[in-house]
Amino acid sequence: DTGVSQNPRHKITKRGQNVTFRCDPISEHNRLYWYRQTLGQGPEFLTYFQNEAQLEKSRLLSDRFSAERPKGSFSTLEIQRTEQGDSAMYLCASSPSRDSPLHFGNGTRLTVT
Amino acid sequence: KQEVTQIPAALSVPEGENLVLNCSFTDSAIYNLQWFRQDPGKGLTSLLLIQSSQREQTSGRLNASLDKSSGRSTLYIAASQPGDSATYLCAVDSGGSNYKLTFGKGTLLTVNP
Repeated sequence: DTGVSQNPRHKITKRGQNVTFRCDPISEHNRLYWYRQTLGQGPEFLTYFQNEAQLEKSRLLSDRFSAERPKGSFSTLEIQRTEQGDSAMYLCASSPSRDSPLHFGNGTRLTVT
Repeated sequence: KQEVTQIPAALSVPEGENLVLNCSFTDSAIYNLQWFRQDPGKGLTSLLLIQSSQREQTSGRLNASLDKSSGRSTLYIAASQPGDSATYLCAVDSGGSNYKLTFGKGTLLTVNP
């Protein structure tokens, strides 16, 4: 169990650029979540995958956000045409079942200038 | 829509004190509830998970209780230590086809030596 791995740890980008983050969950964890967290707030749900199927997506998520989990292993989160309001910590989590605790990665901190 | 509230937002105690953190949720039809710890700039670490059919869970100096009917959970920390200083978050799984966990904003705990 090497834990949930997220890359990069930090990303600074200019407004209007596209960015992509990667999450490698714990092997054999079929459930994968993306959350976003800003300072002083709890994590806000973005999307959920069960294996390769995206089963839930936040209604608050604009069309600029897209996530994939090909082959049900690693996942990517892409933000197109970034805005300053996208600056946040993006967290990935995985678990083997609904009755098991979530394991979080250390996140990717995005700064949009 | 499930909403989760944590009180107090911040708490400062001297080392050795026993303390209670509170979490309330608006929809009592939950699947489970989890308590997490978050250190600055890091991801979340799961502390305890309580299924909807359970009343409490214990791990070392931590005890979490759940009262579904009143929409409340408490996290009890015994004999607090400076290393317990962190933000504590609770999260609710509302069950069914709603897969996301809804988080509170957290309680920032400082344990002074």
